[in-house]
Amino acid sequence: SQQGEEDPQALSIQEGENATMNCSYKTSINNLQWYRQNSGRGLVHLILIRSNEREKHSGRLRVTLDTSKKSSSLLITASRAADTASYFCATDARGTGRRALTFGSGTRLQVQP
Amino acid sequence: GAGVSQSPSNKVTEKGKDVELRCDPISGHTALYWYRQSLGQGLEFLIYFQGNSAPDKSGLPSDRFSAERTGGSVSTLTIQRTQQEDSAVYLCASSLTADRGETQYFGPGTRLLVL
Repeated sequence: SQQGEEDPQALSIQEGENATMNCSYKTSINNLQWYRQNSGRGLVHLILIRSNEREKHSGRLRVTLDTSKKSSSLLITASRAADTASYFCATDARGTGRRALTFGSGTRLQVQP
Repeated sequence: GAGVSQSPSNKVTEKGKDVELRCDPISGHTALYWYRQSLGQGLEFLIYFQGNSAPDKSGLPSDRFSAERTGGSVSTLTIQRTQQEDSAVYLCASSLTADRGETQYFGPGTRLLVL
């Protein structure tokens, strides 16, 4: 299976609830990033967490990284209908010359008003 | 520019025809990336440019795919003799440098449909 698998594949919650999405990866990484995509078009960068960091916050977003388990989670607190989108994690592999990001297949989040 | 732009937004073509997709990165960004996204899937890396050279072409799926970048700015992805499986959204991204951890800024994509 590919680097950067997200789960769940789809998530439906009510406005005001928290949404948690998980990402697992296979190789050692330098950084892990989370992106958001609306309507299958351009991606918007949300947050980057480095391999030596364990937790990072940005507004209503909280990202954790566990390099021993090769996993990350994205928590969106107090969700809004406007948070409805697909969310992807992306990693860059350590120890290679590769600069491109490896994306997972994403979590589709639906926030019901 | 204010952001990464791509053209056309949508392209419908017949099987066997050639197509050119254009990407204008953010001004001053030295690194440029092409990705492809099939329906409901994550992004698949195609090729990456540092300046005008392409150190990593490992993601190009076949020799029908090629890309170039001129003047360290605009890039064109060309698909020759298109096939139906080429239908996807083609996304371009740029970053200030190619250093690890640099944020990649994405364009809105070109949705390609091969009939």
